[in-house]
Amino acid sequence: GAGVSQSPSNKVTEKGKDVELRCDPISGHTALYWYRQSLGQGLEFLIYFQGNSAPDKSGLPSDRFSAERTGGSVSTLTIQRTQQEDSAVYLCASSPRQVRSPLHFGNGTRLTVT
Amino acid sequence: SQQGEEDPQALSIQEGENATMNCSYKTSINNLQWYRQNSGRGLVHLILIRSNEREKHSGRLRVTLDTSKKSSSLLITASRAADTASYFCATDLNDQAGTALIFGKGTTLSVSS
Repeated sequence: GAGVSQSPSNKVTEKGKDVELRCDPISGHTALYWYRQSLGQGLEFLIYFQGNSAPDKSGLPSDRFSAERTGGSVSTLTIQRTQQEDSAVYLCASSPRQVRSPLHFGNGTRLTVT
Repeated sequence: SQQGEEDPQALSIQEGENATMNCSYKTSINNLQWYRQNSGRGLVHLILIRSNEREKHSGRLRVTLDTSKKSSSLLITASRAADTASYFCATDLNDQAGTALIFGKGTTLSVSS
């Protein structure tokens, strides 16, 4: 079946503009995660959605970052007033159930803020 | 904050050799997972080991877990050029509230033919 889909795959934006990154998880997966990966670095946790529970937003680096998940499926990560340090690859992952299970990752959105 | 730390940061070997990567973590865990990332791609799950397990095998992969030392190792035997990638450990914290997997910074493996 289809994997996790992220769009766009690449985004170049000017400093100060807002951007929206989209994630389509695998159908039926209840958990959805956003991570950020800077060049040559590991993954930085941003936000985690699990079913109908309140999301874990503890990783969001500033109030310029927000995310929503509509209907328990598609998620949008929004970065307002982008800064150059926001440049990174934004990875989305989903997993199938409440009990811990492997994450399925998309190929990411590479964001470049000029 | 970083939970898992991989060691070494980079590893270069010849085809046919074994590659060993280590991961250390700070707090108690439910399970530990290893992922692989090819350049420009998302991560792919390799293997999961639960906190009550000490060793697990999958094909050419062998993972060990020592909860007393808060460490894990990933061994790739008889490496191939196609194994060239970055490898990350990820820990699932033993937290009733539930949190996302926390990843380390990864080990970059280069296998030359």
